[in-house]
Amino acid sequence: AQSVTQLGSHVSVSEGALVLLRCNYSSSVPPYLFWYVQYPNQGLQLLLKYTTGATLVKGINGFEAEFKKSETSFHLTKPSAHMSDAAEYFCARNTGFQKLVFGTGTRLLVSP
Amino acid sequence: SAVISQKPSRDICQRGTSLTIQCQVDSQVTMMFWYRQQPGQSLTLIATANQGSEATYESGFVIDKFPISRPNLTFSTLTVSNMSPEDSSIYLCSVADGQETQYFGPGTRLLVL
Repeated sequence: AQSVTQLGSHVSVSEGALVLLRCNYSSSVPPYLFWYVQYPNQGLQLLLKYTTGATLVKGINGFEAEFKKSETSFHLTKPSAHMSDAAEYFCARNTGFQKLVFGTGTRLLVSP
Repeated sequence: SAVISQKPSRDICQRGTSLTIQCQVDSQVTMMFWYRQQPGQSLTLIATANQGSEATYESGFVIDKFPISRPNLTFSTLTVSNMSPEDSSIYLCSVADGQETQYFGPGTRLLVL
C-alpha cells in the first residue's frame, strides 16, 4: 500500500537550532510528496511539494526538503527554528486520482 | 491557490442530531474532498465530492452517515448524521489544483456531547 511514515510524534528544539522532521514513503514508483503545517486551531497550509525535477525543494517560512530516492525519504529541514514554527507538520504523498495519504504527523515544540 | 472557507468554524452538538458543514471556494474546481481529523490524529479521507453525481466514499465511510452534496463547482456540503461523541473531530474540505496538490479550508471543529 502507498503510505508515508513520519518518525517521531514530537520533536523538541531550541530557538535558533536546526529543525529536522523525518518522512519516508513506500512505493516502487516515485511519488509526488508534500509537507503541510497546521497551526493551532487552523487548517492545513502547504509548505512545499516535490513533483519532478530538482530534488531540493524550497518552501515558505525558510523550510526546505530533499527528495532522496535511494533512501525513499523526504525530510523537512530549517536551519534555525523560530518560536512561530511551533505547530503540527504532516508529510503526504499522492495515491492517484488527485488523492493524498497523510503521515501521522509530528508536533514541533520550540523552546526559548 | 484557491481561497476556501468553511461554515461553521466550530459547533457543539447533542448526540443524535445532525450538522451540515459548508465549504465554499472562490474559483471553480473539479476535485473537492472531505477529511476527518480525530483528536490528536492525522487526516483521513472521507469522500470525494463529485459535481453532478454521487460522492465517492472511502472504506469505512458510508453515505447514510456522511451525506455529501456538490451542486456546483464552487460549493459542497458534508452532513454528519445521527451524531455520537465519537464524531467529535475537525472536518476539513480541500480542493485539488489538477496537479496532485490539495489546498485546505480552515476546518470545522465539532464537539458532540
